[in-house]
Amino acid sequence: EVRLLESGGGLVQPGGSLRLSCVASGFTFSGYGMNWVRQAPGKGLEWVSTITRIGSSTYYADSVKGRFTLSRDNSKNTLYLQMTSLKVEDTAIYYCAKAQGGYLSTWSFDYWGQGTLATVSS
Amino acid sequence: QSVLTQPPSVSGAPGQRVTISCTGSSSNIGANSDINWYQHLPETAPKLLIYRNNNRPSGVPDRFSGSKSGTSASLAITGLQAEDEADYYCQSYDSSLNWVFGGGTKLTVL
Repeated sequence: EVRLLESGGGLVQPGGSLRLSCVASGFTFSGYGMNWVRQAPGKGLEWVSTITRIGSSTYYADSVKGRFTLSRDNSKNTLYLQMTSLKVEDTAIYYCAKAQGGYLSTWSFDYWGQGTLATVSS
Repeated sequence: QSVLTQPPSVSGAPGQRVTISCTGSSSNIGANSDINWYQHLPETAPKLLIYRNNNRPSGVPDRFSGSKSGTSASLAITGLQAEDEADYYCQSYDSSLNWVFGGGTKLTVL
């Protein structure tokens, strides 16, 4: 059974930092791209960042580019999202999601975690 | 404003058929990028409903189907059930913005 367990959320002041983690199990972690998707309160889903299976390429939404860094440790089946210079508008539930598909344009997110809440407030 | 446009809400009575549209552009759906659909209930993880335009993952009832034409796509739900009440999102790949979601559609079962 595929499982994705996020952690690391919490309350942080504007300008602060948080590191989110996602531990995967039930599949060969190193064989798949991984993603973060967030949902701000009362809003829809927003893609945040993606990393390819061996971490050779990373992609970011314009809203987080230059502030967030996505990485993975395939030996620990773990995905990380380092978030810095946090803004109030970064407040959201952050979901870790596994990718499926070949070419990037065919990717879908077939398994999701339950999410971790990051709140940016003074 | 989302790159993919969905109606904010749709509704239908039990047993009826509803459709949810997703309108994109030449940089995403029109560029032959696949469309995926997700179902999201409050306080739960989103669930992949349709992938690569019209394919259902194992366990998804055949009441759910997807289609794509030009720069638009649709999700159809037949035999509407109370448990289908949820938020639905389309998602695709955009040549400029990478992965994008629609704004979401709230389905109400009357």
